[in-house]
Amino acid sequence: DQQVKQNSPSLSVQEGRISILNCDYTNSMFDYFLWYKKYPAEGPTFLISISSIKDKNEDGRFTVFLNKSAKHLSLHIVPSQPGDSAVYFCAAIYTGGFKTIFGAGTRLFVKA
Amino acid sequence: DTGVSQDPRHKITKRGQNVTFRCDPISEHNRLYWYRQTLGQGPEFLTYFQNEAQLEKSRLLSDRFSAERPKGSFSTLEIQRTEQGDSAMYLCASSLGYLTGANEQFFGPGTRLTVL
Repeated sequence: DQQVKQNSPSLSVQEGRISILNCDYTNSMFDYFLWYKKYPAEGPTFLISISSIKDKNEDGRFTVFLNKSAKHLSLHIVPSQPGDSAVYFCAAIYTGGFKTIFGAGTRLFVKA
Repeated sequence: DTGVSQDPRHKITKRGQNVTFRCDPISEHNRLYWYRQTLGQGPEFLTYFQNEAQLEKSRLLSDRFSAERPKGSFSTLEIQRTEQGDSAMYLCASSLGYLTGANEQFFGPGTRLTVL
């Protein structure tokens, strides 16, 4: 049972445009949500997070939006750059937590 | 470099053999995690240590799997009697322990296991 779902395996975007990566979750016990970026042959690296009590968090070109009623979050990257091409994982942490549940990832291609 | 390191980076073994992986976390981090990642999937939680105490184990972690973190520093993950289904990338991560909320996890590069 996938508690964190990333339904788009891949996304292609032109350089300079906005990239929107989506994530849905099923468990209302999740307390925090995070996005990680992964390049080939490297471990995931943390990108940005959001608490369940907020609906938006922004860090430079990256903004995460959380819609608790829809159990949906999204990562916006603007403007997109070729170096953003990577696999992006959505992750959620249970209340009290440490156990982190990851989605299957979305591969982003940013074309120059 | 003070990041998370894992050794070996690659391991090829025959079915039935035992393997052991090592993870060295960031030195001031008291939380350590092991994950398994297969092709096309995100990392799957295996187990978690707070200092030397193993506080959570996933149902994915069968009796053939054991993890230790002696002295709350490095950790080892051992797989006994390996099976072909154990072939995966094994990731280690560490983090500081906060009282509330998200603790950013720092991942190592992983150990890729191939069981023939």
